[in-house]
Amino acid sequence: KAGVTQTPRYLIKTRGQQVTLSCSPISGHRSVSWYQQTPGQGLQFLFEYFSETQRNKGNFPGRFSGRQFSNSRSEMNVSTLELGDSALYLCASQGTEPWGYTFGSGTRLTVV
Amino acid sequence: AQSVSQHNHHVILSEAASLELGCNYSYGGTVNLFWYVQYPGQHLQLLLKYFSGDPLVKGIKGFEAEFIKSKFSFNLRKPSVQWSDTAEYFCAVTVYSSASKIIFGSGTRLSIRP
Repeated sequence: KAGVTQTPRYLIKTRGQQVTLSCSPISGHRSVSWYQQTPGQGLQFLFEYFSETQRNKGNFPGRFSGRQFSNSRSEMNVSTLELGDSALYLCASQGTEPWGYTFGSGTRLTVV
Repeated sequence: AQSVSQHNHHVILSEAASLELGCNYSYGGTVNLFWYVQYPGQHLQLLLKYFSGDPLVKGIKGFEAEFIKSKFSFNLRKPSVQWSDTAEYFCAVTVYSSASKIIFGSGTRLSIRP
């Protein structure tokens, strides 16, 4: 079965701009989680969506938001980009098996 | 707040050496424990997981981990490493009350000398 697909793979944005990242989960998976990976902070949980509702949220500012569509695809938006937002953003989807997370390859965002 | 500690930031071993990567978590309740691996340029992959039962769990590629509840530890082991094991290894935990949120350790970079 196809894995978790994240687009785009790479992105360069200017400080102050906004960005939208996309994640298509494995077919049939209804839960999508987002993580930020940086060398300094490691992997940090952003939020999780299940059936179009945000079910869990990490400790990130309101500039980070997300949504999930009826087909389970999810988008993450970051507004007013800061240099510190440069990171690899990972998406994970989960099906019915308990804690069976599958990660995508990520979107590498560089803010200049 | 729950946290996961990986005390070894970078481990360098020769091929055929034995490996043990430390992982400790802080949470007094029921947890589920994971080890993920990230090979250079690749996505995170699940090595193994512990939910309940036998505290010694076996994963892919010859890895195993032992859950010691009294020590809040979940160390990863492999008796004989290969050059292809060069990667970054992450210990992670989910807690019962927030099962969809994975808390990761800071990672251990493993370098294997051929």
